[in-house]
Formats: sequence, C-alpha cells, structure tokens
Amino acid sequence: QVQLQESGPGLVKPSETLSLTCTVSGGSISNYFFSWIRQAPGKGLEWIGYIYYSGSTNDNPSLEKRVSMSIDTSKNQLSLRLRSVTAADTAVYYCATHRDFWSGSDAFDNWGQGTLVIVSS
Amino acid sequence: QSVLTQPPSTSGTPGQRVIVSCSGGSSNIGADSVSWYQQFPGAAPKLLIFNNNQRPSGVPDRFSGSKSGTSASLAISGLQSEDEATYHCAAWDNSFKGWVFGGGTKVTVL
Repeated sequence: QVQLQESGPGLVKPSETLSLTCTVSGGSISNYFFSWIRQAPGKGLEWIGYIYYSGSTNDNPSLEKRVSMSIDTSKNQLSLRLRSVTAADTAVYYCATHRDFWSGSDAFDNWGQGTLVIVSS
Repeated sequence: QSVLTQPPSTSGTPGQRVIVSCSGGSSNIGADSVSWYQQFPGAAPKLLIFNNNQRPSGVPDRFSGSKSGTSASLAISGLQSEDEATYHCAAWDNSFKGWVFGGGTKVTVL
C-alpha cells in the first residue's frame, strides 16, 4: 500500500483560500483515484471530492464550487484548494485512495493521518 | 446533518454481539455497495468492510457486514475492549453524484 501524508498551514483566515498537499510514497500516483475527505471537530466524515492523475475530478456540490484539485505526477503529490473559507471549514482534512473506483465495490482503502486546519482571524 | 443515518452511540459488554445500523435511501445504499470504517480518537479512519460484507486482509472475522434494501448493518461478535471506537458507514449516491457518510456510531465496551 502507498503511504499518504497531508501537509499545509494549520491556520487560515476567513475568506482566504485553504491549500493542502498530499504526498504519495511507496507507489505511483498514476495507479490510483484519490479523494479528499474532511471531519469537523466532533462530527462525521464529509467527502470533498475525487481526482485521477488524468485530471478527471468531481467535487461535493454542497461546497458550492469552492473546490479545486490537482495532481503533480512529477512530485507524486495531489493538492486541494478551498476558496472563501469560513469557520465551518475548520476540520481535519484527509486524503485517501480508492480501492476499485470503476467497480460497484469501491471504498476508501488507505488514508493519510490527516491535518487539522483551523479557520480563524 | 449526514445523508446516511446512524445511531450516535451503542454499547456492549465483552463477548457480546453489537450491531450498528446505517439507514439511507434508494439513491445510495439502495443502489450501491456500503463500506464501513473504524476510527479511534485522534486517528484516521480505517477500512473495515467493503462491498457490503467483505473484509480487507487483516480485519478479524468477528466484524461482519450486511445490507438489505436501503439499510446496512455492521455486526461485531465477541466484542473486545479494543473494539471501542467510532464506526462510520459510507456509500456512493447516484443523485448527489458523490460519496455520502453516516454521522458515525461510538461503540463503548462496558
């Protein structure tokens, strides 16, 4: 299994853009679909969006098009940007791999440790 | 407010069988497979069950999953103290065009 490591600023001001990176090691980024998932303090999990190395993406409609995702195959990294953040975006952000995206039995089979982002002035 | 509905908590004594329910609709659980995740405090979720009832390598067989219609269940047989954690269900939603989760169920071992 690949190892995933999220990184980025732990504090973002309201109305600014949250930017995170997920570094993939132990395997090629081209072999996987990835999702970003977040968890607000004391709350459940929320899917943010998925990305494939080809650039194919899909994001959660409830995030009102504030999401952009990209992949840098040369660095084996994927990135997440979330614009116009508010306190409601405070959460632990995870990247995860899909075990079999095109099948009817897909699931998130490998997760990074997560990174806490606090939105506050 | 999560799309999939789970009870916030449940409990059992060591050795007991505990069931965690997950209720959805025709566009998610009714249309696609369910996965379950185990999460300890301060840690990332870990895949426990995929495709409704399949266990990844290394997951003890005391964990089992089932699905019927628009609901799914996770059963923990022979409950152990190390099973005290929060359990989340998830499924793809054809209407939402994305993944949806339950709010998570905290299992306490008494």
